[in-house]
Amino acid sequence: AQRVTQPEKLLSVFKGAPVELKCNYSYSGSPELFWYVQYSRQRLQLLLRHISRESIKGFTADLNKGETSFHLKKPFAQEEDSAMYYCALSGTSGFQKLVFGTGTRLLVSP
Amino acid sequence: DTAVSQTPKYLVTQMGNDKSIKCEQNLGHDTMYWYKQDSKKFLKIMFSYNNKELIINETVPNRFSPKSPDKAHLNLHINSLELGDSAVYFCASSGHSGNTIYFGEGSWLTVV
Repeated sequence: AQRVTQPEKLLSVFKGAPVELKCNYSYSGSPELFWYVQYSRQRLQLLLRHISRESIKGFTADLNKGETSFHLKKPFAQEEDSAMYYCALSGTSGFQKLVFGTGTRLLVSP
Repeated sequence: DTAVSQTPKYLVTQMGNDKSIKCEQNLGHDTMYWYKQDSKKFLKIMFSYNNKELIINETVPNRFSPKSPDKAHLNLHINSLELGDSAVYFCASSGHSGNTIYFGEGSWLTVV
């Protein structure tokens, strides 16, 4: 079964502090992992996906197959990073659905 | 140039009514989805269509009926609305299953 776990409902940090949003997954095959961001009352937007191995808005995420994790990191948080962050997983063969974690609200205070 | 658009954005209706939410995508994608985001911000897939065919149907009450007249449209019709149906409903699309999914802005449904 596909499952995505985000253990923190809320992560509150000060501006300039490092941020790590945790994500662990469960999947029997080779999954594709994503991070989506939802700013207040807006649509979900793709932040990054593991196969791209790129940094978006200063965020990075590395897929660790041994620990089945895909944590999202940023060295210096900004106030505009405040949003809901969702980790998501999809299979890579056939028709697959995107399964989301429960989301973590990141609050960056000045 | 909205890629995935859904209407209405806000909908307030009484229990027992029937309502529809429409979704259109202009990305040329083959696959479309409906997701539900509840009051706790949990996101869960409801349906997925590929080339107008239903491919994913999660455990959703029969009161919810998706309809895809063509691969650019996926509408959601809800019969006999209940208080628990209050949520934000997101339409989405993707080019191939498993590829990046693009979301609409959401439709805020409030049942009173």
